[in-house]
Amino acid sequence: NAGVTQTPKFRVLKTGQSMTLLCAQDMNHEYMYWYRQDPGMGLRLIHYSVGEGTTAKGEVPDGYNVSRLKKQNFLLGLESAAPSQTSVYFCASSYEYSGNTIYFGEGSWLTVV
Amino acid sequence: GDSVTQMEGPVTLSEEAFLTINCTYTATGYPSLFWYVQYPGEGLQLLLKATKADDKGSNKGFEATYRKETTSFHLEKGSVQVSDSAVYFCALSDQSQAGTALIFGKGTTLSVSS
Repeated sequence: NAGVTQTPKFRVLKTGQSMTLLCAQDMNHEYMYWYRQDPGMGLRLIHYSVGEGTTAKGEVPDGYNVSRLKKQNFLLGLESAAPSQTSVYFCASSYEYSGNTIYFGEGSWLTVV
Repeated sequence: GDSVTQMEGPVTLSEEAFLTINCTYTATGYPSLFWYVQYPGEGLQLLLKATKADDKGSNKGFEATYRKETTSFHLEKGSVQVSDSAVYFCALSDQSQAGTALIFGKGTTLSVSS
């Protein structure tokens, strides 16, 4: 009954370091998403994918890259972390068309110092 | 573009009080509307949804009605409990635009005291 699983849950990075957040879903969903949550800003879409091998930019894509090599996984990469990327990151997935329910992971807390 | 506006928080209530959190939207197509809830330290969970005008979504004593004429989807609960303390997000998705994700409001923090 895993649903959407994110790793790691917590990470502290130094400015300029790189890292990858991994999202895995076991619901055979076509669509996957990465959001960031900041105080007073709600959730903002970073990148999303509508199927294996596809990715697209969301509202705030700069400084991030993504890959969807396997249907069940969606990776979010930070090539050179900046303090402005300190945030809580949420992965989510859904069946085709986001009119269906979107299921969220538990979040990854990232601090860039 | 599409957007969601929800009332600023925090909202502070006593147990058993009536709750309303206002949400209005702007959309070019025919959106589905959602309320998500986020408990402290957790991810977002779907609370309820409505996919067409005049639909009422309900769950756990919460309800919201999709009002196309006022472009609103206000969340209500008749008697809140301490356990309802959380952040509530209104969201929409525009089904006429395949591949789009949910668009969220900024969230409203609800604090219920006993």
